[in-house]
Amino acid sequence: AQSVSQHNHHVILSEAASLELGCNYSYGGTVNLFWYVQYPGQHLQLLLKYFSGDPLVKGIKGFEAEFIKSKFSFNLRKPSVQWSDTAEYFCAVTRTRNSGGYQKVTFGTGTKLQVIP
Amino acid sequence: DVKVTQSSRYLVKRTGEKVFLECVQDMDHENMFWYRQDPGLGLRLIYFSYDVKMKEKGDIPEGYSVSREKKERFSLILESASTNQTSMYLCASRKTGGVTEAFFGQGTRLTVV
Repeated sequence: AQSVSQHNHHVILSEAASLELGCNYSYGGTVNLFWYVQYPGQHLQLLLKYFSGDPLVKGIKGFEAEFIKSKFSFNLRKPSVQWSDTAEYFCAVTRTRNSGGYQKVTFGTGTKLQVIP
Repeated sequence: DVKVTQSSRYLVKRTGEKVFLECVQDMDHENMFWYRQDPGLGLRLIYFSYDVKMKEKGDIPEGYSVSREKKERFSLILESASTNQTSMYLCASRKTGGVTEAFFGQGTRLTVV
């Protein structure tokens, strides 16, 4: 079964600090990878996604993520965080089953980011 | 603007009650999902559906059932609510094929007393 691990549960940074959130998945086949963000009181929304091609993916609000296949990782980065980045971040993976064509989405446990002004 | 709508933001139910959580999407998506979100545990998949009347168990289906009679609607049913089902419930939908993201509803915070 596919699974996603996010090892940082709670991260506290000062504004302008650099951010890197770890994400590792366990599936040996072809995967599609996502980072979602949940701002306080809001619904989950997509930050960025990877399916093929350039392993460095750029998303909204200055976020980027790098897919490293050999490490089964898809870490999220931002060079300089802002107070408004305070949120919970979720990594997710999907794959396509050969028989059904439908896609189960598996999420990690999330990382709470707190940015101090 | 795409939309996933959950019928209630907050619900309080008594132990043993039958509880229905409703979710409607307006994007003609084939796939729909129910997750529960708990602090420190992230999002855990309860059930998903890839077509009308089709469903598959997720990672924590015990104590839950689902219904999908129409493409746009996916219901989560707690047959006999228990206090350990107090949680935030999230519905999502996603198109089959390609690399498309899931769209989420606002969530239903269910408290079982």
